[in-house]
Amino acid sequence: DAGVIQSPRHEVTEMGQEVTLRCKPISGHDYLFWYRQTMMRGLELLIYFNNNVPIDDSGMPEDRFSAKMPNASFSTLKIQPSEPRDSAVYFCASSRTLAGVADTQYFGPGTRLTVL
Amino acid sequence: GNSVTQMEGPVTLSEEAFLTINCTYTATGYPSLFWYVQYPGEGLQLLLKATKADDKGSNKGFEATYRKETTSFHLEKGSVQVSDSAVYFCALDNTGFQKLVFGTGTRLLVSP
Repeated sequence: DAGVIQSPRHEVTEMGQEVTLRCKPISGHDYLFWYRQTMMRGLELLIYFNNNVPIDDSGMPEDRFSAKMPNASFSTLKIQPSEPRDSAVYFCASSRTLAGVADTQYFGPGTRLTVL
Repeated sequence: GNSVTQMEGPVTLSEEAFLTINCTYTATGYPSLFWYVQYPGEGLQLLLKATKADDKGSNKGFEATYRKETTSFHLEKGSVQVSDSAVYFCALDNTGFQKLVFGTGTRLLVSP
């Protein structure tokens, strides 16, 4: 299996621009998670989906952030407009349901976002 | 609320030394506990887990025991290698849906 795939791996943009991060989960996994990692705040869960439906978006920092999962093999995290404080590494992870609960999460390699 | 506290790093050791990375947690109910490892430039990987009190998780020579009485899940390895250099994250989940709460991570540096 190819694992969780994220693109781009690196993104540099200017303040005010729209940024779209992409994720392809492992085939057959029905949970998808978006995380943000910064030195100051560590690893934070932003939102997660089950069967393409957003279940908990309480970690999304503000309305500038939005996430979608149009089908089981693709998700996006969009920031519009971007700000320098959004600079971070964004991880996508997926897992499957096993015995009625979510099993181990598998993480992608991350997208390093720099907003100038 | 739920939280995980890890020892500050970096932890610097020589090869073949004994490793302990402390982790304590605060949670309602009976959470599952995890250790994840992040190698440079990569995403996190599950290292080991324990789902109930007194369980011991183990993998690749690493071990951690779920201690409910001390709310701890300390990571240990008897003899570290240079290849173990990475950042180690302790985490908990008490939802059953893998809504993980992570500690801040502890960087381990192993020198030859």
